[in-house]
Amino acid sequence: GESVGLHLPTLSVQEGDNSIINCAYSNSASDYFIWYKQESGKGPQFIIDIRSNMDKRQGQRVTVLLNKTVKHLSLQIAATQPGDSAVYFCAERGIASGGSYIPTFGRGTSLIVHP
Amino acid sequence: ETGVTQSPTHLIKTRGQQVTLRCSSQSGHNTVSWYQQALGQGPQFIFQYYREEENGRGNFPPRFSGLQFPNYSSELNVNALELDDSALYLCASSLGGTGVGGETQYFGPGTRLLVL
Repeated sequence: GESVGLHLPTLSVQEGDNSIINCAYSNSASDYFIWYKQESGKGPQFIIDIRSNMDKRQGQRVTVLLNKTVKHLSLQIAATQPGDSAVYFCAERGIASGGSYIPTFGRGTSLIVHP
Repeated sequence: ETGVTQSPTHLIKTRGQQVTLRCSSQSGHNTVSWYQQALGQGPQFIFQYYREEENGRGNFPPRFSGLQFPNYSSELNVNALELDDSALYLCASSLGGTGVGGETQYFGPGTRLLVL
């Protein structure tokens, strides 16, 4: 079946380094992708999204890259800070039975930032 | 903070019991989605309510049901609880629409349910 998954379950970096979190997706028809950050004890928080007609999108300290050829998505965090420590999920837009759009989440990558 | 609130924060039930979880959506949002998040996993979509009607459902049995009220708050009801229902239950509110961006969902902190 179609799925969204992550390559690395845990990523440890030093404060100030750049972080790259990867995600593979298998549904070639997916046209919209979202990155979420989930801190301990909180719900997922929207970070950035990208449409399939784009290769790159930048936000504040974050960049998402989309490679449709190999069905790969990445989230780059510049100058990683301890507050970036969290679990990061990529999600693709799916369509539920009623026609509504809902995100399908992958398993997540835990980012640990060492001061 | 997203403005989405959930209650209770934690709950312990025994197998076979019933539970009701509540969610207040962000002001101005007319759509509420519910997710189940098992430990170490990503959230799994249960169902979505738009203007008081179910607007999509994931792969969950009928003992998972819901309601949305005129003020767009919502309830998730689970009957005949099973051990595997132990999880974090998240609700997310959004402004219903079919365009990209209409799906941007704002999550509450969740209710952690433990079934013994």
